[in-house]
Amino acid sequence: DQQVKQNSPSLSVQEGRISILNCDYTNSMFDYFLWYKKYPAEGPTFLISISSIKDKNEDGRFTVFLNKSAKHLSLHIVPSQPGDSAVYFCAASERNTPLVFGKGTRLSVIA
Amino acid sequence: NAGVTQTPKFQVLKTGQSMTLQCAQDMNHNSMYWYRQDPGMGLRLIYYSASEGTTDKGEVPNGYNVSRLNKREFSLRLESAAPSQTSVYFCASSEALGRPPGYTFGSGTRLTVV
Repeated sequence: DQQVKQNSPSLSVQEGRISILNCDYTNSMFDYFLWYKKYPAEGPTFLISISSIKDKNEDGRFTVFLNKSAKHLSLHIVPSQPGDSAVYFCAASERNTPLVFGKGTRLSVIA
Repeated sequence: NAGVTQTPKFQVLKTGQSMTLQCAQDMNHNSMYWYRQDPGMGLRLIYYSASEGTTDKGEVPNGYNVSRLNKREFSLRLESAAPSQTSVYFCASSEALGRPPGYTFGSGTRLTVV
């Protein structure tokens, strides 16, 4: 059973608008959450993370929100740029275990 | 540049052939991982090594073996390749299992089994 779910395989957004990517998880022991970005023919690269003791973390145009009661996190990109077009993976872990990844969401930012 | 290096980048195998995918990191990380990425399936963990001298199965270990040769190197072996093992394979490393600041990934090995 999937512990980390990204229910939207793809998302299209106009340049300059907000992109919101969603992720749900089932394991209440997860205490660390990350987002990775992946371009074609490259490995995933770390984008932003959040600990379960926080509900928001911001880094430039990227903000991750965590709602522990709903077991839900989201990544907001504002403003979206064409270079943000990529596949975004949500990941989570509990102490002393490897990261568990979602299936990814392909974001297309249209100029 | 410092990071995770995977070789080869591309490989075509015939069913039943064997091969070893190589991975090396130069960040003095303790933990290393092998993932496969298939369309619509995301990143699935094959094997991991929490520290030098230890290896453990992940979600999809069947048909694979691994060796943590030393702290830097973690290899993945396919003993008898099958078409179902056609995939993109990523090696990754981290300071510790699942902890900040997360993983550094290699650029991947695209494997086709015919």
